[in-house]
Formats: sequence, C-alpha cells, structure tokens
Amino acid sequence: AQTVTQSQPEMSVQEAETVTLSCTYDTSENNYYLFWYKQPPSRQMILVIRQEAYKQQNATENRFSVNFQKAAKSFSLKISDSQLGDTAMYFCATHAGGTSYGKLTFGQGTILTVHP
Amino acid sequence: EAGVVQSPRYKIIEKKQPVAFWCNPISGHNTLYWYRQNLGQGPELLIRYENEEAVDDSQLPKDRFSAERLKGVDSTLKIQPAELGDSAVYLCASSLRLRVKIYNEQFFGPGTRLTVL
Repeated sequence: AQTVTQSQPEMSVQEAETVTLSCTYDTSENNYYLFWYKQPPSRQMILVIRQEAYKQQNATENRFSVNFQKAAKSFSLKISDSQLGDTAMYFCATHAGGTSYGKLTFGQGTILTVHP
Repeated sequence: EAGVVQSPRYKIIEKKQPVAFWCNPISGHNTLYWYRQNLGQGPELLIRYENEEAVDDSQLPKDRFSAERLKGVDSTLKIQPAELGDSAVYLCASSLRLRVKIYNEQFFGPGTRLTVL
C-alpha cells in the first residue's frame, strides 16, 4: 500500500518569488515514480514534474524543481519566479508497478495562490 | 492532438436517480482510468481498463456503480441509484501502456462535476 501526505493545505507567494510545497510518502515498493500535478479551477489535471525513484538526481522542468530525499521519503516541489498562472491546487502523487500498476495515489493537495 | 474528452461537464440530479458519465480517451491509448475526486481531496482510482478488460476494479462500489468499455475505446461510468455521498468530480484518464516501461503517463480529462440533491 502507498500513502501520500501533504501537510500544507494552503500556501501563498508573491509574484516572482520562490515557494516550496512539501510532500511525504510511504511505499513498500523498491521501484516507483513520484509526481507533482497541478489542477487549476478548470479541473484539468496537468503533470508538472516527474521523478523516478532510482534516479538520485533531482528532476527539473524550467521553473519547477524537486528535492527528492529517498531515505526520508520526502518529495518537495520548488517553484521559482512564481507567476499568476501558477495559482492552482497542487497534488503530490506516487505510482508503483507490479500489481499496483496504473494506480496513482494522491495526497490531499495544497492550494497555492500567487499574489501580484 | 485532441485530449481526453468527458461529458457532461456538470450534472445535477436528485438522490436515487441514475446518472451516466462518458469518456473518450486520447486516440490510440489502450488504458483508461476512472477516478473520483471528493471536494478538497486528491483523486482516487475507481477502475482501470486495458483495452476492453477491467483489470482493476477493486475500488469500485459494485452495488451501485458500473462501468463499461465495450470496444476498447470510449467508456461509460454509471451510478444507479445515486446517493448524496456520490457528489464529487469524476475524472477520466488514459495512457498508452508499453509493457517495457514501469510507468506510462496518464493524461486527464476535465472531469464531470456531479451534485446529488
């Protein structure tokens, strides 16, 4: 079984500043993936960034980067140079293969508001 | 390339009424997922199809929920009868499963917001 915990229900940041969203997880799998998804008010779930657990190097996608601490089972998302369009609900999620293939397990979400 | 299409976007019904949601995945995607997202929560998987076969329906409340994907393309999720607690957003996602890969990216539709009165 997998669990994902996001302890920050809401966060806010000023435009152009940096914000970090926290996520911890638990899994019994050795090989798994971790994700951050963005869900704006339109409800479309959009993949922001992906990390493969066997890769030690932290993933980066433009202004988005992660801090993956495998031993601590921590996976935080850093958004640099925040933009108004970053305002959304952000979900941390994990996926493991094997019998759990296809099942994304999501956290409770963090509402991020970017202020002008 | 068109994304995952879902209809309707919104549905309001009274309890005990039936309701159905439709999903058309990205062309060529062999795997289709239905998730339920309660207000303020993350989505939870209800059922996963590979082609026309339901390979994981362990989270589907089978007493009132049913789903089908007859030709391995589009899919319908039905609730009969609906209860107040079924109010949620129902998300459909699709992916192209390549067995050589551990994970194949899921692409989500915009969802259907169901309100049961």
